[in-house]
Amino acid sequence: GAGVSQSPSNKVTEKGKDVELRCDPISGHTALYWYRQSLGQGLEFLIYFQGNSAPDKSGLPSDRFSAERTGGSVSTLTIQRTQQEDSAVYLCASGTTGELFFGEGSRLTVL
Amino acid sequence: KNQVEQSPQSLIILEGKNCTLQCNYTVSPFSNLRWYKQDTGRGPVSLTIMTFSENTKSNGRYTATLDADTKQSSLHITASQLSDSASYICVVSARGNNRLAFGKGNQVVVIP
Repeated sequence: GAGVSQSPSNKVTEKGKDVELRCDPISGHTALYWYRQSLGQGLEFLIYFQGNSAPDKSGLPSDRFSAERTGGSVSTLTIQRTQQEDSAVYLCASGTTGELFFGEGSRLTVL
Repeated sequence: KNQVEQSPQSLIILEGKNCTLQCNYTVSPFSNLRWYKQDTGRGPVSLTIMTFSENTKSNGRYTATLDADTKQSSLHITASQLSDSASYICVVSARGNNRLAFGKGNQVVVIP
């Protein structure tokens, strides 16, 4: 596709379950970011991938959060043993050296 | 303290009127500043991106200004339309740093 694609767009899960969120960046974009946006809050940095370099994981809030980027393209954000405070919109963005393009986000609701 | 502060937090304006949104930042050394528009339930969409040497940049009815000396930016919306109702997010990046500093956004509601 032409833009950043995220799936699922909505996910409702029970507390304690694991979830996987997927991001398909724009082809050729070397940079990929994951952000979390809670209601009424700004975007919170989670993790950054740049080419083949080691990812910047400094924004991950706990060891329950992890992310991978396979083959420099698709990325998966995994949240283990979800908690209610994990409920948020998870946004993925990709870019090169300047512009950053966002996906529509995955809305996660933990009951 | 957040490195990017936006004001006002929210405002309501009549359709056809103009409005100006403010962004103050402390990010240093400065690389660029971006304004994004985020419709409810959607991802942010870029409006403008400005580097140190640029003072103003327009995108249709949106005009952004940058004063790198005072570390301030503004986004002016001319002749507002109902479709301008959204959150406008100021994002600042530092040189040599992959991190982006996000403001919490200006929530704009345009009413007929």
